Amino acid sequence: DVKVTQSSRYLVKRTGEKVFLECVQDMDHENMFWYRQDPGLGLRLIYFSYDVKMKEKGDIPEGYSVSREKKERFSLILESASTNQTSMYLCASRTPGQYRGYTFGSGTRLTVV
Amino acid sequence: QQQVKQSPQSLIVQKGGISIINCAYENTAFDYFPWYQQFPGKGPALLIAIRPDVSEKKEGRFTISFNKSAKQFSLHIMDSQPGDSATYFCAGLNTGTASKLTFGTGTRLQVTL
Repeated sequence: DVKVTQSSRYLVKRTGEKVFLECVQDMDHENMFWYRQDPGLGLRLIYFSYDVKMKEKGDIPEGYSVSREKKERFSLILESASTNQTSMYLCASRTPGQYRGYTFGSGTRLTVV
Repeated sequence: QQQVKQSPQSLIVQKGGISIINCAYENTAFDYFPWYQQFPGKGPALLIAIRPDVSEKKEGRFTISFNKSAKQFSLHIMDSQPGDSATYFCAGLNTGTASKLTFGTGTRLQVTL
């Protein structure tokens, strides 16, 4: 089974801090994704990466950046955390090909105070 | 930009009853429609998926019905059990492009005894 591991289950950070959320997958997947999940809004795509060092903006990239230096690791960076970035963050990976879904990590619940 | 509309937002069903969740999509380029199940504290997990060239797919107690002309699809859970209590997300994917899933807003299902 594919495993997608997010380094932290819960994080509490202060406004203005730089925050790193880490995600590692163990199945050599090319594509990786960061979503945030908020009640009533579903899952919204922040950034995704086709392959190492390649990244593209999703639907809500403002206030975020990403890094993918190795195939198995995809990091989400909050440059200056704000309270409206309090959310559940979900990482996912996928191998290209038709009719294949994502495998998600268990999520990181981030609270910015 | 909500390309997949999901209803209802929440649903309460008695044990043994049928749970029905509906989704409508706008993007006719979608060619893969997965459903995800999410338990509290966990990431979403792929439950069942359908391609638009079939009208129905059944896996155990879970059935997807697909209406291509109406751009609608639905998840039916037969003989609903308390263990089915979770949040369900529908999604659409255009496998020919960026592999980005577009999710519905989610339905919280509670199955009562």
